[in-house]
Amino acid sequence: EPEVTQTPSHQVTQMGQEVILRCVPISNHLYFYWYRQILGQKVEFLVSFYNNEISEKSEIFDDQFSVERPDGSNFTLKIRSTKLEDSAMYFCASSPNIADEKLFFGSGTQLSVL
Amino acid sequence: GENVEQHPSTLSVQEGDSAVIKCTYSDSASNYFPWYKQELGKGPQLIIDIRSNVGEKKDQRIAVTLNKTAKHFSLHITETQPEDSAVYFCAASSSNTGKLIFGQGTTLQVKP
Repeated sequence: EPEVTQTPSHQVTQMGQEVILRCVPISNHLYFYWYRQILGQKVEFLVSFYNNEISEKSEIFDDQFSVERPDGSNFTLKIRSTKLEDSAMYFCASSPNIADEKLFFGSGTQLSVL
Repeated sequence: GENVEQHPSTLSVQEGDSAVIKCTYSDSASNYFPWYKQELGKGPQLIIDIRSNVGEKKDQRIAVTLNKTAKHFSLHITETQPEDSAVYFCAASSSNTGKLIFGQGTTLQVKP
């Protein structure tokens, strides 16, 4: 069964460093998303991406965050200068079409900012 | 702003019993309500969903009900099995951009 894959599963970084979280969505999907879950809190929407541009972003997704689909298979989330409060589990998701709204999530990348 | 509240936060049942998890939402424009199951070390997996033009949907042992007037929806699992043990999340969407508003999650434990 096709699945969304995320790498790495764990990432440890120093405050102020840049990190790139990588995702390979399901191959025929057209819509891509990033969500995050801070320990003990709700899963929160960060950004949706379609046709090589951002469709919607949350207040969390400020200028320190960016997304990119550098080739036909990868979808990345970059945090330019990490803060302690960026520590969270980051989930990538994809969906085949927006009308369906069925999101398929990856297993997540646990980001720890020290 | 948009909000989804989920209860209970933990639920423990005996194998074979039923489990019910309830959610309420604040945005009256919400029209899509998925339920996700998250097992340890994995991402959330869609198990069932319902749209606002339907009051109930069933898939084998799981069912979801929606009350638009009261703005709440529920997940029902019958004949629970130990493999149903997981964290369950409800969510709501109104934007048609894939932006889901999640509830807090319910940790379900099914005791053999």
